[in-house]
Amino acid sequence: SQQGEEDPQALSIQEGENATMNCSYKTSINNLQWYRQNSGRGLVHLILIRSNEREKHSGRLRVTLDTSKKSSSLLITASRAADTASYFCATGRDNYGQNFVFGPGTRLSVLP
Amino acid sequence: SAVISQKPSRDICQRGTSLTIQCQVDSQVTMMFWYRQQPGQSLTLIATANQGSEATYESGFVIDKFPISRPNLTFSTLTVSNMSPEDSSIYLCSVIPGMGNTEAFFGQGTRLTVV
Repeated sequence: SQQGEEDPQALSIQEGENATMNCSYKTSINNLQWYRQNSGRGLVHLILIRSNEREKHSGRLRVTLDTSKKSSSLLITASRAADTASYFCATGRDNYGQNFVFGPGTRLSVLP
Repeated sequence: SAVISQKPSRDICQRGTSLTIQCQVDSQVTMMFWYRQQPGQSLTLIATANQGSEATYESGFVIDKFPISRPNLTFSTLTVSNMSPEDSSIYLCSVIPGMGNTEAFFGQGTRLTVV
Protein backbone atom coordinates (compact mmCIF):
# COMPACT_ATOMS: atom_id res chain seq x y z
CA SER A 1 0.00 0.00 0.00
CA GLN A 2 1.03 3.58 -0.44
CA GLN A 3 2.61 5.15 2.57
CA GLY A 4 4.37 8.44 3.05
CA GLU A 5 7.33 8.19 5.36
CA GLU A 6 9.02 11.32 6.57
CA ASP A 7 12.50 11.87 7.79
CA PRO A 8 13.82 13.13 10.02
CA GLN A 9 11.27 12.26 12.68
CA ALA A 10 12.33 15.28 14.68
CA LEU A 11 14.27 18.37 13.72
CA SER A 12 15.46 21.22 15.91
CA ILE A 13 16.87 24.40 14.38
CA GLN A 14 17.49 28.04 15.22
CA GLU A 15 15.28 30.85 13.99
CA GLY A 16 16.39 32.07 10.58
CA GLU A 17 17.77 28.71 9.49
CA ASN A 18 16.23 26.57 6.78
CA ALA A 19 14.41 23.35 7.58
CA THR A 20 14.24 20.43 5.16
CA MET A 21 11.92 17.49 5.60
CA ASN A 22 11.73 14.47 3.33
CA CYS A 23 8.95 12.10 2.45
CA SER A 24 9.09 8.77 0.66
CA TYR A 25 6.23 6.67 -0.63
CA LYS A 26 5.85 3.25 -2.13
CA THR A 27 3.48 3.27 -5.09
CA SER A 28 2.46 5.60 -7.89
CA ILE A 29 0.53 8.67 -6.82
CA ASN A 30 -1.88 11.22 -8.22
CA ASN A 31 -0.53 14.00 -6.04
CA LEU A 32 1.35 14.60 -2.82
CA GLN A 33 0.39 17.12 -0.19
CA TRP A 34 2.03 18.59 2.88
CA TYR A 35 0.12 19.49 6.02
CA ARG A 36 1.05 21.18 9.28
CA GLN A 37 -0.33 20.34 12.71
CA ASN A 38 0.12 22.56 15.73
CA SER A 39 0.09 20.87 19.14
CA GLY A 40 -2.20 17.96 18.28
CA ARG A 41 -4.86 20.17 16.76
CA GLY A 42 -6.38 20.05 13.29
CA LEU A 43 -4.18 19.87 10.23
CA VAL A 44 -3.71 22.78 7.88
CA HIS A 45 -3.02 22.27 4.21
CA LEU A 46 0.26 23.81 3.09
CA ILE A 47 0.87 22.84 -0.49
CA LEU A 48 -0.03 20.26 -3.13
CA ILE A 49 2.22 19.03 -5.89
CA ARG A 50 0.90 16.92 -8.72
CA SER A 51 2.66 13.91 -10.12
CA ASN A 52 3.61 15.78 -13.30
CA GLU A 53 5.21 18.64 -11.39
CA ARG A 54 8.77 18.71 -10.09
CA GLU A 55 8.85 21.80 -7.92
CA LYS A 56 6.41 24.21 -6.37
CA HIS A 57 6.73 27.33 -4.26
CA SER A 58 4.42 29.03 -1.83
CA GLY A 59 5.83 31.91 0.19
CA ARG A 60 8.68 30.49 2.29
CA LEU A 61 7.80 26.94 1.30
CA ARG A 62 9.40 24.99 -1.49
CA VAL A 63 8.32 21.47 -2.35
CA THR A 64 10.03 19.11 -4.75
CA LEU A 65 8.80 15.81 -6.10
CA ASP A 66 10.89 13.07 -7.64
CA THR A 67 8.56 10.36 -8.91
CA SER A 68 11.45 8.19 -10.08
CA LYS A 69 12.69 8.00 -6.49
CA LYS A 70 9.19 8.18 -5.02
CA SER A 71 10.22 11.00 -2.75
CA SER A 72 9.38 14.59 -1.92
CA SER A 73 10.98 17.28 0.17
CA LEU A 74 9.58 20.30 1.96
CA LEU A 75 11.90 23.22 2.54
CA ILE A 76 10.97 26.03 4.90
CA THR A 77 13.28 28.98 4.46
CA ALA A 78 14.12 31.60 7.09
CA SER A 79 12.26 29.66 9.77
CA ARG A 80 10.38 31.35 12.59
CA ALA A 81 9.37 30.18 16.05
CA ALA A 82 5.79 30.07 14.75
CA ASP A 83 6.83 27.33 12.32
CA THR A 84 7.20 24.96 15.28
CA ALA A 85 4.76 22.15 14.48
CA SER A 86 4.49 18.65 13.09
CA TYR A 87 4.60 18.32 9.32
CA PHE A 88 2.99 15.45 7.46
CA CYS A 89 3.08 14.39 3.85
CA ALA A 90 -0.02 12.75 2.44
CA THR A 91 -0.38 10.74 -0.73
CA GLY A 92 -3.64 10.17 -2.55
CA ARG A 93 -4.66 6.52 -2.72
CA ASP A 94 -7.34 6.70 -5.37
CA ASN A 95 -7.59 8.12 -8.86
CA TYR A 96 -9.02 11.38 -7.55
CA GLY A 97 -6.24 11.68 -4.98
CA GLN A 98 -8.82 12.26 -2.27
CA ASN A 99 -8.30 9.23 -0.10
CA PHE A 100 -5.11 9.94 1.81
CA VAL A 101 -2.36 8.01 3.48
CA PHE A 102 -0.38 10.13 5.91
CA GLY A 103 3.27 9.65 6.72
CA PRO A 104 4.53 9.48 10.32
CA GLY A 105 5.43 13.17 10.33
CA THR A 106 8.39 15.34 11.23
CA ARG A 107 8.26 17.29 14.46
CA LEU A 108 9.98 20.62 13.84
CA SER A 109 11.15 22.82 16.70
CA VAL A 110 12.37 26.31 15.83
CA LEU A 111 14.27 27.84 18.71
CA PRO A 112 14.29 31.63 19.18
CA SER B 1 -12.75 26.16 1.41
CA ALA B 2 -14.66 24.78 4.38
CA VAL B 3 -14.95 25.66 8.05
CA ILE B 4 -15.47 22.71 10.35
CA SER B 5 -16.85 22.75 13.87
CA GLN B 6 -15.98 19.61 15.77
CA LYS B 7 -17.41 18.88 19.22
CA PRO B 8 -16.43 18.14 21.89
CA SER B 9 -12.87 19.41 21.77
CA ARG B 10 -11.87 17.05 24.54
CA ASP B 11 -13.40 14.60 26.98
CA ILE B 12 -12.43 12.20 29.71
CA CYS B 13 -14.59 9.10 29.71
CA GLN B 14 -14.97 5.98 31.79
CA ARG B 15 -14.14 2.67 30.18
CA GLY B 16 -17.14 0.81 28.88
CA THR B 17 -19.03 3.98 27.96
CA SER B 18 -19.55 5.56 24.54
CA LEU B 19 -18.82 9.02 23.18
CA THR B 20 -20.35 10.66 20.13
CA ILE B 21 -18.29 13.26 18.29
CA GLN B 22 -20.01 15.74 16.02
CA CYS B 23 -18.67 17.36 12.86
CA GLN B 24 -20.53 20.31 11.35
CA VAL B 25 -19.38 21.93 8.09
CA ASP B 26 -20.36 25.41 6.96
CA SER B 27 -21.11 24.24 3.42
CA GLN B 28 -22.16 21.11 1.59
CA VAL B 29 -19.23 18.82 0.96
CA THR B 30 -18.83 15.68 -1.04
CA MET B 31 -16.32 13.76 1.00
CA MET B 32 -16.16 13.45 4.79
CA PHE B 33 -13.65 11.35 6.64
CA TRP B 34 -12.89 10.35 10.21
CA TYR B 35 -9.30 9.85 11.35
CA ARG B 36 -7.68 8.65 14.54
CA GLN B 37 -4.35 9.95 15.75
CA GLN B 38 -2.84 8.02 18.61
CA PRO B 39 -0.41 9.83 20.91
CA GLY B 40 2.71 10.87 19.04
CA GLN B 41 1.59 9.09 15.89
CA SER B 42 0.33 9.98 12.45
CA LEU B 43 -3.26 9.95 11.24
CA THR B 44 -5.02 6.71 10.43
CA LEU B 45 -8.20 6.74 8.40
CA ILE B 46 -11.10 5.12 10.24
CA ALA B 47 -13.78 5.47 7.60
CA THR B 48 -15.34 7.52 4.85
CA ALA B 49 -18.73 8.88 5.90
CA ASN B 50 -21.21 8.43 3.04
CA GLN B 51 -24.30 10.57 2.88
CA GLY B 52 -27.43 8.45 3.05
CA SER B 53 -25.65 5.12 3.24
CA GLU B 54 -23.35 3.09 5.46
CA ALA B 55 -19.84 4.36 6.02
CA THR B 56 -16.90 2.69 4.31
CA TYR B 57 -14.54 1.38 6.95
CA GLU B 58 -10.82 0.80 6.65
CA SER B 59 -9.15 -2.42 7.61
CA GLY B 60 -9.03 -2.78 11.36
CA PHE B 61 -12.08 -0.63 12.03
CA VAL B 62 -15.62 -1.98 12.35
CA ILE B 63 -19.06 -0.44 12.48
CA ASP B 64 -19.94 -1.91 15.86
CA LYS B 65 -17.01 -0.13 17.48
CA PHE B 66 -17.13 3.10 15.45
CA PRO B 67 -20.68 3.69 14.19
CA ILE B 68 -20.88 6.69 11.87
CA SER B 69 -23.85 8.69 10.74
CA ARG B 70 -24.08 11.18 7.90
CA PRO B 71 -27.66 12.36 7.52
CA ASN B 72 -26.82 15.20 5.09
CA LEU B 73 -23.95 16.88 3.24
CA THR B 74 -22.93 19.14 6.13
CA PHE B 75 -23.01 16.92 9.22
CA SER B 76 -21.58 13.66 10.50
CA THR B 77 -21.08 11.91 13.82
CA LEU B 78 -18.59 9.32 14.97
CA THR B 79 -19.32 7.24 18.05
CA VAL B 80 -16.57 5.47 19.93
CA SER B 81 -18.34 2.56 21.60
CA ASN B 82 -17.53 0.49 24.66
CA MET B 83 -14.37 2.47 25.21
CA SER B 84 -11.12 1.16 26.64
CA PRO B 85 -7.90 3.04 27.47
CA GLU B 86 -6.54 1.97 24.07
CA ASP B 87 -9.12 4.25 22.47
CA SER B 88 -7.44 7.30 23.98
CA SER B 89 -6.54 9.34 20.90
CA ILE B 90 -7.31 12.44 18.96
CA TYR B 91 -10.21 11.94 16.57
CA LEU B 92 -10.34 14.23 13.55
CA CYS B 93 -13.07 15.02 11.10
CA SER B 94 -11.92 15.96 7.60
CA VAL B 95 -13.71 17.09 4.48
CA ILE B 96 -12.92 17.60 0.83
CA PRO B 97 -15.41 20.10 -0.57
CA GLY B 98 -15.88 18.82 -4.11
CA MET B 99 -14.99 15.96 -6.39
CA GLY B 100 -12.61 18.17 -8.34
CA ASN B 101 -10.74 19.21 -5.22
CA THR B 102 -8.00 17.39 -3.39
CA GLU B 103 -7.20 19.76 -0.53
CA ALA B 104 -8.57 18.47 2.76
CA PHE B 105 -9.85 20.60 5.60
CA PHE B 106 -9.78 19.42 9.18
CA GLY B 107 -11.69 20.04 12.35
CA GLN B 108 -9.73 20.95 15.45
CA GLY B 109 -9.99 17.41 16.73
CA THR B 110 -11.44 15.72 19.78
CA ARG B 111 -8.89 14.69 22.39
CA LEU B 112 -10.32 11.62 24.09
CA THR B 113 -8.93 10.15 27.28
CA VAL B 114 -10.40 6.89 28.57
CA VAL B 115 -9.79 6.07 32.22
